[in-house]
Amino acid sequence: AQKVTQTQTSISVMEKTTVTMDCVYETQDSSYFLFWYKQTASGEIVFLIRQDSYKKENATVGHYSLNFQKPKSSIGLIITATQIEDSAVYFCAMRDDSGYNKLTFGKGTVLLVSP
Amino acid sequence: ETAVFQTPNYHVTQVGNEVSFNCKQTLGHDTMYWYKQDSKKLLKIMFSYNNKQLIVNETVPRRFSPQSSDKAHLNLRIKSVEPEDSAVYLCASSPGQGANTEVFFGKGTRLTVV
Repeated sequence: AQKVTQTQTSISVMEKTTVTMDCVYETQDSSYFLFWYKQTASGEIVFLIRQDSYKKENATVGHYSLNFQKPKSSIGLIITATQIEDSAVYFCAMRDDSGYNKLTFGKGTVLLVSP
Repeated sequence: ETAVFQTPNYHVTQVGNEVSFNCKQTLGHDTMYWYKQDSKKLLKIMFSYNNKQLIVNETVPRRFSPQSSDKAHLNLRIKSVEPEDSAVYLCASSPGQGANTEVFFGKGTRLTVV
């Protein structure tokens, strides 16, 4: 069974700094996909970035990037030059290749960006 | 603008009542889902449909029943709601069953059972 663990309950940073959010996962599958989602104050959940397990290169989209450490089953999210509007709950999630479409989420990390 | 539409946004009801939530996606996706987000923000999948066919049915109480008329619609009915059903119910869709496909979420329906 898949499991996703986010140990950081909340993080507070100053605007324009870099923040890293941790995530570790468990799976029996050799092929899997890791995602980060953001939930805004309005409740909307938005996809941010994805890492494929077979790719060695860390994914990067805009000011989001990933620190994928496969031997440690770790997929950290890095946000550079944080902005006030980055304040949200960030969820790490994974899905394997079983074909059952089950996206397993971590418990989320609250990010607060202050001016 | 989100392309997964849910109605209603909020619903307050009494224990024992029946409720129905609607979901429609205009993305042309083949796969739709219902997720439940509890008061601690934990997100758990409830059901997954692919082209109107039930694919995933997690261990949810039998009073929950999904209904799909076509691949663009996936409704959720709850018969005889209970207090623990209070949560946000999120509808989502994805292009297909591929594990690498992104999932797009609606804005959720907040259910309060009093």
